[in-house]
Order: sequence, then structure tokens, then C-alpha cells
Amino acid sequence: AQTVTQSQPEMSVQEAETVTLSCTYDTSENNYYLFWYKQPPSRQMILVIRQEAYKQQNATENRFSVNFQKAAKSFSLKISDSQLGDTAMYFCAFMKPPYNNNDMRFGAGTRLTVKP
Amino acid sequence: DGGITQSPKYLFRKEGQNVTLSCEQNLNHDAMYWYRQDPGQGLRLIYYSQIVNDFQKGDIAEGYSVSREKKESFPLTVTSAQKNPTAFYLCASSIFGGDGYTFGSGTRLTVV
Repeated sequence: AQTVTQSQPEMSVQEAETVTLSCTYDTSENNYYLFWYKQPPSRQMILVIRQEAYKQQNATENRFSVNFQKAAKSFSLKISDSQLGDTAMYFCAFMKPPYNNNDMRFGAGTRLTVKP
Repeated sequence: DGGITQSPKYLFRKEGQNVTLSCEQNLNHDAMYWYRQDPGQGLRLIYYSQIVNDFQKGDIAEGYSVSREKKESFPLTVTSAQKNPTAFYLCASSIFGGDGYTFGSGTRLTVV
């Protein structure tokens, strides 16, 4: 079974600084997808960033970037220039083939607080 | 705008009653999912459906039932057999492939 581990239940960062959230996963698959989702206090889950395992280049979306280390099965999220609106739960997720099952597995989440 | 609508936002149930949570999407997505979210446990899959009139159990299907009579709709019934139903329930949908899921805004169910 695939598992996703987020070892940091809570983190905090000062506004405008950079923070990195950790995620590791366990799989025997060679091709898969990884995701980071954000869940703000409204509880709406929002896709932050997505990485395809066969792509070596790390995904980037504005202030959000990932450090994907396939051999180490690590997928960390870096948030640069943190903003108060980044305060949320962040979930790491893994999806394995066959993608027509769309079976996504989530970590337990990291609660991030951005302090003014 | 396309999206997923979950209703109601808050729901209260007396012990022994069945309740149905609504999930409707207008994204033309084939697959739909129900997740349960408890504090400190992330999201756990209850049921999913890849096509109309077909659905599969997830990790915690006991005490729940679903139907998929229309592509747009995937209601979840929490039955009296679910011993600990108080939780936050999220519905999601997706196309087949690795694009990820689109989520609804959730329903908070409380047993009173």
C-alpha cells in the first residue's frame, strides 16, 4: 500500500520569509503523480502544485515550488515570501497508476501559520 | 462557473437516523469521490465512482452508501450503522489522468 507521511504537524513562519514543508512517500511504482493541496480556514481544498514523477524538473507555481527527490521518495513544498493568506493546512498527496482509478492518497497534513 | 457544490454546509443528525449529503458537479468529470476528514488523520476515502451506475468502496465504506444515477451527482448516505459519523465530509471529482481532484466546500456533519 502506498503511504504518504508529513512529519511536521504544525509549522509557523514570519510574513515575507520562506518555509519548507516536508513530505515523504512509499511506493514501488516508477511513474506516479504528487500533489500539494492547501486547505484554508474555509476548508475548501485547493490544488497548489503538481509533479509528475517522470519529470526531473521541479514544478513551480509563482511563490510555490517543490523539491522532488525521487530516489529518496521526498516531495517538499517551499513557500517563498510567505503571506498571511498562506495560513492553512497543507496536504501532500500521491496518485499511482492506473490513473483511471484515480486513487489519491493523502498525508495527515501540516498546519502552517504565517505570523505578521 | 464550473465547480462542485456540496449541500448542506452544516448538518445535524440524531442518533439512529440516516442522512444524505449532496454532491453535484458541472465539470463533466467522469470520476467522483467521497472523503471523510477527521482532525490529525488527513482524508480517508469512503467511496468512489468512475462511471454512472458503478461505484467502489474505499477504505472506510462501512456505514455509508452511495448512488451514481447521473454523471453530475454522487450523493452520500450516512446510515445509522456508522458508529462515529461526526466529521467533515468532502466530495471531489476528476477526469481520468493525473490532473488531480477538484473539491467541493464540504459538509460538516454532527450527531446530536
